[in-house]
Amino acid sequence: DAGVTQSPTHLIKTRGQQVTLRCSPKSGHDTVSWYQQALGQGPQFIFQYYEEEERQRGNFPDRFSGHQFPNYSSELNVNALLLGDSALYLCASADSRSNQPQHFGDGTRLSIL
Amino acid sequence: SQQGEEDPQALSIQEGENATMNCSYKTSINNLQWYRQNSGRGLVHLILIRSNEREKHSGRLRVTLDTSKKSSSLLITASRAADTASYFCATDAGAAGNKLTFGGGTRVLVKP
Repeated sequence: DAGVTQSPTHLIKTRGQQVTLRCSPKSGHDTVSWYQQALGQGPQFIFQYYEEEERQRGNFPDRFSGHQFPNYSSELNVNALLLGDSALYLCASADSRSNQPQHFGDGTRLSIL
Repeated sequence: SQQGEEDPQALSIQEGENATMNCSYKTSINNLQWYRQNSGRGLVHLILIRSNEREKHSGRLRVTLDTSKKSSSLLITASRAADTASYFCATDAGAAGNKLTFGGGTRVLVKP
């Protein structure tokens, strides 16, 4: 049973560009959350998707947007990239019908030049 | 901003010793969770303690929660080199699966 999978594993972009990161949740999970983790810091919540809608959002600008598909997979889009967007982006999934903890993927390392 | 602060920020111990790290948070919670992260990898869930629990054990891990002080501690007993990682506490104000608010983490080095 595959866990949470994220792609790509690494990505290099330049300032001003746009990027799309992808996440497939653990089998049976219907909720996907995205986190940004800067080097040496703890993860920060970006937003959560459930039933193809954004359910919660953290303190991130509108340049950060997302989408959830009918198969529960999700994308994170970031527009007009800034140097400060360099980070590890983590996806976590959960089953909304259970009280079990979230499962995390290994993340996408995004570097902005 | 992050909810929790972890103490110490870094910890270096010998194999076989115990490692203790603390986490403080600011708002009311439904549960508090501890995660481990190996360098550059994702987070691995270690243990969840609910707001009405005071102590929980899982293998070599022992977690305590003091909601009156808004603090938690994680004890790893008889540490091994494989325990070398960063450890994060995360609070959940709602049901499990909801938004997690993480602390800054404690970097633990276990020397063989």
